[in-house]
Amino acid sequence: NAGVTQTPKFRILKIGQSMTLQCTQDMNHNYMYWYRQDPGMGLKLIYYSVGAGITDKGEVPNGYNVSRSTTEDFPLRLELAAPSQTSVYFCASSYSKGGDSPLHFGNGTRLTVT
Amino acid sequence: GESVGLHLPTLSVQEGDNSIINCAYSNSASDYFIWYKQESGKGPQFIIDIRSNMDKRQGQRVTVLLNKTVKHLSLQIAATQPGDSAVYFCAENGNSGGYQKVTFGTGTKLQVIP
Repeated sequence: NAGVTQTPKFRILKIGQSMTLQCTQDMNHNYMYWYRQDPGMGLKLIYYSVGAGITDKGEVPNGYNVSRSTTEDFPLRLELAAPSQTSVYFCASSYSKGGDSPLHFGNGTRLTVT
Repeated sequence: GESVGLHLPTLSVQEGDNSIINCAYSNSASDYFIWYKQESGKGPQFIIDIRSNMDKRQGQRVTVLLNKTVKHLSLQIAATQPGDSAVYFCAENGNSGGYQKVTFGTGTKLQVIP
């Protein structure tokens, strides 16, 4: 049972480039999330999904897009990379939307935009 | 908006001693609280959770205490070991529409002195 798997682990982009951060989970969780973590800051929600075919914006969605074609996969797309998007990105999943439902995180993608 | 905060950014503890990490929350409507541990280069990992109808919950070497009167949460780690060195996040859960609204604190770094 691999849990939540993110690729790549590291990436350096030039301003204006685009890329997709991959996330897959094998726990059959309906709920999936993308967070970014900046130094000294708490995790901020970018986008989330409550099931295949359904996505919605979180706190900081600008500059990102997502899709959820399957239960397992939830890729995050950066179209025009900007230095402000330098961060560590975490994908997470959960069984339900609350109650007895902690988040299960991947090990992150460290992105640098120069 | 509501936020979760931590009293101390860094805590140094002698190996074998008990550790106490504190957290203040401001949303009195939050009904579920979670502690996560984040080791260097990894994603946050669930440690223990507690519902708002409880005051105390124990796990293996860890105990979470909830004081709703003063909106305070603490994580106690018994017989702290070098492997406990990490950043610990307090998080509060409040259902918001169709997704799990989780507010994370900035984290407390626990350093275990051998």
